Amino acid sequence: KAGVTQTPRYLIKTRGQQVTLSCSPISGHRSVSWYQQTPGQGLQFLFEYFSETQRNKGNFPGRFSGRQFSNSRSEMNVSTLELGDSALYLCASSLPFQTADTQYFGPGTRLTVL
Amino acid sequence: GENVEQHPSTLSVQEGDSAVIKCTYSDSASNYFPWYKQELGKRPQLIIDIRSNVGEKKDQRIAVTLNKTAKHFSLHITETQPEDSAVYFCAASTPFNQFYFGTGTSLTVIP
Repeated sequence: KAGVTQTPRYLIKTRGQQVTLSCSPISGHRSVSWYQQTPGQGLQFLFEYFSETQRNKGNFPGRFSGRQFSNSRSEMNVSTLELGDSALYLCASSLPFQTADTQYFGPGTRLTVL
Repeated sequence: GENVEQHPSTLSVQEGDSAVIKCTYSDSASNYFPWYKQELGKRPQLIIDIRSNVGEKKDQRIAVTLNKTAKHFSLHITETQPEDSAVYFCAASTPFNQFYFGTGTSLTVIP
């Protein structure tokens, strides 16, 4: 099976702009989670989608939003970008059938905000 | 919510020695504990995991132990090799598939 893919791999934006990142999960996986990774902070959980519904949400401001489509592909949107949003954004997919299951990560999207 | 603490943040060992990384969690409902290895510029990769109904799990040179009462779990790497050098993350997941990660341990294996 193909792994988790993310597009684009790199993005450069300026403050105030908005950005949309995309994640395609492993075939058959219906859960997609998003994380922000910055040096020293590890992986910070943003949100998780399952069957087109946001099931879990981390402690990020409302500028961060997401959605999931019927084919399980997911998008994450960040509006009104700030310098502190510069980070590696990772998505991870998993099978939903057990209460918690292995997450497989995509390669990430490196976002730089100038 | 869940809080996962990971120690140490950096660890250097001589090739062939053992490395131990420890994590604690706060939510007694967490029931799944994976460990990920992330090499520079690459995605995190699962190396071993353990569920709350098991106390220990081993896979070749890697083992994980879980103490539910004390709410801590540890990664043990024996006979370390230079290719084990990477950042290691522990995580705890609630039954609802919400994962909380530690802040990572940068492991350096000195040849």
